[in-house]
Amino acid sequence: ETGVTQSPTHLIKTRGQQVTLRCSSQSGHNTVSWYQQALGQGPQFIFQYYREEENGRGNFPPRFSGLQFPNYSSELNVNALELDDSALYLCASSDRRVETQYFGPGTRLLVL
Amino acid sequence: AQSVTQLDSQVPVFEEAPVELRCNYSSSVSVYLFWYVQYPNQGLQLLLKYLSGSTLVKGINGFEAEFNKSQTSFHLRKPSVHISDTAEYFCAVSESGGSNYKLTFGKGTLLTVNP
Repeated sequence: ETGVTQSPTHLIKTRGQQVTLRCSSQSGHNTVSWYQQALGQGPQFIFQYYREEENGRGNFPPRFSGLQFPNYSSELNVNALELDDSALYLCASSDRRVETQYFGPGTRLLVL
Repeated sequence: AQSVTQLDSQVPVFEEAPVELRCNYSSSVSVYLFWYVQYPNQGLQLLLKYLSGSTLVKGINGFEAEFNKSQTSFHLRKPSVHISDTAEYFCAVSESGGSNYKLTFGKGTLLTVNP
């Protein structure tokens, strides 16, 4: 059974640029959630995708957007990057009928 | 809306000593409760979860937690810690019966096990 994978592992961008982060869900899982973890903080829920539709969103601006593909993999896109977007971005997959989310290793984004 | 408070930001202990990491939550609805562990430069690994039933939950690596509804707490315990338990521990809650089981996390407790 393959776990949750994320790419890239690290990324450096400058303010104002756009970034795309990718996530492959665990085998058999149809739901992907994205979280932002700032340094020294707990993860914060960005949004969740189920069957290619957004299924819940946290308190993040519209410049944070996402996609889910038919194979249940997902992308997180962030436009007009700000310094405060520097964080570890975590993807978690789950089966929508089940309450437990399983996390990938994360993508560390640094915005200069 | 839910919230989670982890009462200690850092807990230093000696190897083979017992440890308790405290977690309190607030919610107007029934919840599921989770503990995750994060090792340096890694993602989150599920330690244990409470969904229903017995209030004492056992997880991996010898950890256990007890759900106390009246005190809205879900404290994590281990009777004897090892150096390898050094990590950040996060308590999280989700709404049972919700549509998306989104997790609300506490700020974390850094457990440092010293020799």
